[in-house]
Amino acid sequence: AQKITQTQPGMFVQEKEAVTLDCTYDTSDQSYGLFWYKQPSSGEMIFLIYQGSYDEQNATEGRYSLNFQKARKSANLVISASQLGDSAMYFCAMRLLTGRRALTFGSGTRLQVQP
Amino acid sequence: GAGVSQSPSNKVTEKGKDVELRCDPISGHTALYWYRQRLGQGLEFLIYFQGNSAPDKSGLPSDRFSAERTGESVSTLTIQRTQQEDSAVYLCASSPTHTDTQYFGPGTRLTVL
Repeated sequence: AQKITQTQPGMFVQEKEAVTLDCTYDTSDQSYGLFWYKQPSSGEMIFLIYQGSYDEQNATEGRYSLNFQKARKSANLVISASQLGDSAMYFCAMRLLTGRRALTFGSGTRLQVQP
Repeated sequence: GAGVSQSPSNKVTEKGKDVELRCDPISGHTALYWYRQRLGQGLEFLIYFQGNSAPDKSGLPSDRFSAERTGESVSTLTIQRTQQEDSAVYLCASSPTHTDTQYFGPGTRLTVL
């Protein structure tokens, strides 16, 4: 079974600063994908970034980057130059690339960006 | 193009009643997923459809929960004899194939009184 752990229930960051949201995962499979989703107060889940277990380089998407440390089983999300609109819940998730296709989610981190 | 849509956006029902929740996936997406999100928690997988293959029902919490999908189109999640613990947001997601990123709908907030 897969497990995702997000140890930060809430985080504060000043506008324009960078912030790191932690995520560790547990699986015995070698082929998997790691995802980050943003959930604003409106409730919709917005896909941010994806990292495959065989990808050698860390994924980046605009202001989002994924700090993937395979040996430590961590997949932290880094948001650079935070904006007020980044205030939301952030969920880390993983999915096996073979077998079960469903996403396993962590409990989330609530990020608040302060002006 | 249009994203995943779900209806209704909100549903209030009385304990013991049956409810049906609808999901319209992105056109052309062969994979469809249902998840449940209880207040303040992460998402729990319920059921997964991929094309004409048998659905993966491993996440359904009880036999009161069922879902159907016709081909690669609309899916309906049915909860029979609703209980108060069924109160949650029910989210649907679709992806082009089972290996691709899942895109979520806005969810249906179910409240069981």
